[in-house]
Amino acid sequence: GAGVSQTPSNKVTEKGKYVELRCDPISGHTALYWYRQSLGQGPEFLIYFQGTGAADDSGLPNDRFFAVRPEGSVSTLKIQRTERGDSAVYLCASSFQEYNEQFFGPGTRLTVL
Amino acid sequence: AQSVAQPEDQVNVAEGNPLTVKCTYSVSGNPYLFWYVQYPNRGLQFLLKYITGDNLVKGSYGFEAEFNKSQTSFHLKKPSALVSDSALYFCAVRASTGANNLFFGTGTRLTVIP
Repeated sequence: GAGVSQTPSNKVTEKGKYVELRCDPISGHTALYWYRQSLGQGPEFLIYFQGTGAADDSGLPNDRFFAVRPEGSVSTLKIQRTERGDSAVYLCASSFQEYNEQFFGPGTRLTVL
Repeated sequence: AQSVAQPEDQVNVAEGNPLTVKCTYSVSGNPYLFWYVQYPNRGLQFLLKYITGDNLVKGSYGFEAEFNKSQTSFHLKKPSALVSDSALYFCAVRASTGANNLFFGTGTRLTVIP
């Protein structure tokens, strides 16, 4: 079956611009997670959704970052006033229930010039 | 607070030899432990997990891992390495209660030499 998909696969933007990253989880998965992976590091947690609501957003680095999941399926991670330090691979994952293994998408590589 | 340590950045092993990738963890309460593999330009792929029960867990592609509570370790093993096993391996942990997100180690690059 279809896995987690993320679009775009690559995004290049200029400092100060706004970007949106999209995640389509596996059908039927209620839990959705966003992580950020910098070069040479493991993924770092950003935000977790259970259904439509953000159950835990403690990993968001600052108020420039925001995510939504309005219908409990597709999620969008939004970054305002991008900075060069935001450059990383943004990973989305979903799981059937909150205690099951998470399945990851291929990621969106964000480059802020 | 949860954390994971993967003490080896790089592991080299000859094809056909057994391999071990080390992982130790710190978590409040009982741990849920995971191994993921990452191939170049691809997302993380789930290999195996320990939730409860038997300390020896078997996963995909012939990999297994042993949960050792006293040593707080969850080392990944395979009896006979293949060249195609060459990749980046991540250990991850979460607590059985509380936050659902995973805490990842920094990864270990496994190279299997033909």
